[in-house]
Amino acid sequence: GAVVSQHPSWVICKSGTSVKIECRSLDFQATTMFWYRQFPKQSLMLMATSNEGSKATYEQGVEKDKFLINHASLTLSTLTVTSAHPEDSSFYICSARDVAGVYNEQFFGPGTRLTVL
Amino acid sequence: AQTVTQSQPEMSVQEAETVTLSCTYDTSESNYYLFWYKQPPSRQMILVIRQEAYKQQNATENRFSVNFQKAAKSFSLKISDSQLGDTAMYFCAYLDRGSTLGRLYFGRGTQLTVWP
Repeated sequence: GAVVSQHPSWVICKSGTSVKIECRSLDFQATTMFWYRQFPKQSLMLMATSNEGSKATYEQGVEKDKFLINHASLTLSTLTVTSAHPEDSSFYICSARDVAGVYNEQFFGPGTRLTVL
Repeated sequence: AQTVTQSQPEMSVQEAETVTLSCTYDTSESNYYLFWYKQPPSRQMILVIRQEAYKQQNATENRFSVNFQKAAKSFSLKISDSQLGDTAMYFCAYLDRGSTLGRLYFGRGTQLTVWP
């Protein structure tokens, strides 16, 4: 089946540093990838939609200069949290859409837990 | 924008019993998909079941089945013979089939606990 990986699975960083999270579709091509943020016991909040070769589309209220998204290939999208602060601590999940799939289904990565000290 | 509502923040059920999770949605579209996702403590999102809006027959996957009422915009999930491993957060989600981006709209989730 379709597999999406995320790296790292968890990261701890100091306030003011930048952190990059990678999202890869391992066995299918994904022209569209999605980045979500999830707080404990809450739903997934869509941050941005990334399309291969073009600029990401950010949801209202999401700072595009803080959360940099790059989708350079059909199998890789990255989220960089710039100048991270404690309030950026959260669980970040990516998903990839299999354009060849019948249902336009999204496949989810295992998530990355970010803790900013 | 489409909205998905799950009115039960928490539910519990005894092992081997049956439980039904509720979901309603609002859309003006006629061609869409509905999904139930499971998020166990590992936090990996797992697709449980999908329903195509143009199909009248309710989808089933082993112990999981849905009651899809298109006119009422209702999409409930029934879990039969509940198992301890079913303990998870369950999210109902909507996808407009005509959407070029394929964005999913999620409900707030229902935390299901299965106890022995």
